[in-house]
Amino acid sequence: EIVLTQSPGTLSLSPGERATLSCRASQSVSSSYLAWYQQKPGQAPRLLIYGASSRATGIPDRFSGSGSGTDFTLTISRLEPEDFAVYYCQQYGSLFTFGPGTKVDIK
Amino acid sequence: QVQLQESGPGLVKPSQTLSLTCTVSGGSISSGGYYWSWIRQHPGKGLEWIGYIYYSGSTYYNPSLKSRVTISVDTSKNQFSLKLSSVTAADTAVYYCATYYDFPPVDYWGQGTLVTVSS
Repeated sequence: EIVLTQSPGTLSLSPGERATLSCRASQSVSSSYLAWYQQKPGQAPRLLIYGASSRATGIPDRFSGSGSGTDFTLTISRLEPEDFAVYYCQQYGSLFTFGPGTKVDIK
Repeated sequence: QVQLQESGPGLVKPSQTLSLTCTVSGGSISSGGYYWSWIRQHPGKGLEWIGYIYYSGSTYYNPSLKSRVTISVDTSKNQFSLKLSSVTAADTAVYYCATYYDFPPVDYWGQGTLVTVSS
């Protein structure tokens, strides 16, 4: 089973700042089958990024994904008030596993 | 656009079987290409994939839950279901039904339903 580790656990930033979230896999994720989700309290997760770097339908271009192999990054270029949430990475190259999440909260 | 809605008991006793149903609207559950899935989230924790069923009936279950899980489809009601047997307090979670077309990741989710295992 591929284990995903996300860092940091919590990221405290102000609106307008840049957020950089990391997702590291215990072994290489085949074909960059790595997705990122955003989850707000009381809501289901929302798909942001798939294939490591492709934005899902309707996702603003301030969200971008990068990486390959075992190291992946989600970047939010300028935080908007609605971006404060928990972010999960998920690999789907070998079964399906999720990371533990990174909470982005308001500084 | 596909919409999903979970339903079922919010409280289950230990050792019993948890049963949830997901009603699909905006599309036919028997149309090809969709993988009908269940995912859960323990309170305040991360996400765990339970399994999926393809319209043909083929299934995949998380190895850690495989011995207790059954996912099935009822095409006449446009629903799919989850059964998890021999539950314990560790199965208390929000259960989501979800789906994707042809290839992951999941891009359609239900709103989730909290199931508490307690006597």
